[in-house]
Amino acid sequence: DTAVSQTPKYLVTQMGNDKSIKCEQNLGHDTMYWYKQDSKKFLKIMFSYNNKELIINETVPNRFSPKSPDKAHLNLHINSLELGDSAVYFCASSLRGGRNTGELFFGEGSRLTVL
Amino acid sequence: ILNVEQSPQSLHVQEGDSTNFTCSFPSSNFYALHWYRWETAKSPEALFVMTLNGDEKKKGRISATLNTKEGYSYLYIKGSQPEDSATYLCAPGNTDKLIFGTGTRLQVFP
Repeated sequence: DTAVSQTPKYLVTQMGNDKSIKCEQNLGHDTMYWYKQDSKKFLKIMFSYNNKELIINETVPNRFSPKSPDKAHLNLHINSLELGDSAVYFCASSLRGGRNTGELFFGEGSRLTVL
Repeated sequence: ILNVEQSPQSLHVQEGDSTNFTCSFPSSNFYALHWYRWETAKSPEALFVMTLNGDEKKKGRISATLNTKEGYSYLYIKGSQPEDSATYLCAPGNTDKLIFGTGTRLQVFP
């Protein structure tokens, strides 16, 4: 069983469209994250939710809106897609959040290409 | 912007060689240091989580040390094998989140 699963794995879309990436974890973790792998291969945190509550919100355009319907799911919705949004987006989870986080468990990534 | 540096950026070694990489990070507001192994076309997998100055952790042929006062961690691989080929990421925790380095890409040739 996949511990952290993301869908879709690949997404190709036109500029201006709205798209969502879904993430689910079956580990019973309290905290979930979205990371963006940028053009320089850095993994940069975008958002973190602890038990459905937003706890980290980095400087991300407000076209990006995370939604956590329950602690096992964290979806990422992106409005009005731009070319610069093309990247690989990784979902992750950890048992706890903040300074007491244990290891992160990552999904396989979702490669978004905006044309 | 916090500066997390990993060196070298890439490394090519022969099977059987031992190798090590460095992760440097700001020591202020530090709370933990994570190491991850990232194979091509897969997702990063945790190797170690260390918190205390002087911590040493070992998993098989891989070990890591931590110096929180001077802000660095070393990852060692003893007797490298081709299956060790991957990118090794460090991520120090600062204030309330992990900051990932760009990694050291290791290739082990048979």
